[in-house]
Amino acid sequence: GDSVTQMEGPVTLSEEACLTINCTYTATGYPSLFWYVQYPGEGLQLLLKATKADDKGSNKGFEATYRKETTSFHLEKGSVQVSDSAVYFCALRNFGNEKLTFGTGTRLTIIP
Amino acid sequence: NAGVMQNPRHLVRRRGQEARLRCSPMKGHSHVYWYRQLPEEGLKFMVYLQKENIIDESGMPKERFSAEFPKEGPSILRIQQVVRGDSAAYFCASSPVGGEYEKLFFGSGTQLSVL
Repeated sequence: GDSVTQMEGPVTLSEEACLTINCTYTATGYPSLFWYVQYPGEGLQLLLKATKADDKGSNKGFEATYRKETTSFHLEKGSVQVSDSAVYFCALRNFGNEKLTFGTGTRLTIIP
Repeated sequence: NAGVMQNPRHLVRRRGQEARLRCSPMKGHSHVYWYRQLPEEGLKFMVYLQKENIIDESGMPKERFSAEFPKEGPSILRIQQVVRGDSAAYFCASSPVGGEYEKLFFGSGTQLSVL
């Protein structure tokens, strides 16, 4: 079945550091890939997505590229801010399926 | 426009009791999804409902769990005779149309603790 493996946390970085959160997936067919973010006390929000190989999703300075050859969708940001502190979830959805398959989440803390 | 509202935020039950989790979707949303996050695991799909219909319940345990989304009122996830293994965070999401993930919004979740 479909699965998502995500970098274990927690991750603690200093402000302005570079961020990479690794995400790899196993799926039949050609899934769409997503990153969701959950800020403290709030629900999950869609951060970015990519629907086909080599697509790059981007939002709020975050980027992720759909790499079919390595089955990866790593989340990157060049310079993180304290306000980026949150839990980040990688997810996939296979064509014709309403379900999202999530990774375990990575808690990111940015210290000033 | 209020977001997806889940209540209660925290629910404590003793083994054998019933748990009722409520989800009020965003205004104009007629599609509701329930997910469960067990400790140290990712969110797992449970059930997908439209008004008065269960569309996909393939992620629901066969016993003790049920879900509804009536014509009026919130969606309810009911767990009968709870056991310690039911302790988890339960998330609800809603969308105006199925499959449009740009318009899928999640609630803050209900943390169920079974003593």
